[in-house]
Amino acid sequence: GENVEQHPSTLSVQEGDSAVIKCTYSDSASNYFPWYKQELGKGPQLIIDIRSNVGEKKDQRIAVTLNKTAKHFSLHITETQPEDSAVYFCAALYDYKLSFGAGTTVTVRA
Amino acid sequence: GAVVSQHPSRVICKSGTSVKIECRSLDFQATTMFWYRQFPKKSLMLMATSNEGSKATYEQGVEKDKFLINHASLTLSTLTVTSAHPEDSSFYICSARGGVTGELFFGEGSRLTVL
Repeated sequence: GENVEQHPSTLSVQEGDSAVIKCTYSDSASNYFPWYKQELGKGPQLIIDIRSNVGEKKDQRIAVTLNKTAKHFSLHITETQPEDSAVYFCAALYDYKLSFGAGTTVTVRA
Repeated sequence: GAVVSQHPSRVICKSGTSVKIECRSLDFQATTMFWYRQFPKKSLMLMATSNEGSKATYEQGVEKDKFLINHASLTLSTLTVTSAHPEDSSFYICSARGGVTGELFFGEGSRLTVL
């Protein structure tokens, strides 16, 4: 099955700075890579996704890049705000199932 | 976007009882729903894939007799934790695939505490 690794496990940034989270996946057949934000006690919320036929996608302050050759993808949050503080999960879709990374706890310091 | 609703959001039960958690897709039909379990400060672990009108497919290591899944309609899947024990206490989350893009939408989760 698919194995997704995510780094770092925790990330503390100053408000206004950028945050970058990186993930790698093992199976080259994976073709869909979503990123989720999870707040305490709530379910994951999709914030951005990318498909294997695209190298980069941007939505306001959030961007995702995908390197299929290296099998890694990254989440970039610019101009971070306190409300960006949460746990972020990357995932890869393989065989119609999502495999999740271990999560990154992001803390934005005011 | 599409909404997936879970109920109850929190449940406390006594050891040995059974608890049912519902997952509904509110504005789309979901032929496939997924059930996850999440321990504190951990990632989501897929428990089973629920297909409307057929038996659920369980992941390795998940007891199908302990975690009964029923997907009786295109908008409802249920997870029943049978004869619950304290080690079953966890955050259970469902997701549903639907819409034009086949995107996955997650419910808000259900916190189960077994005393």
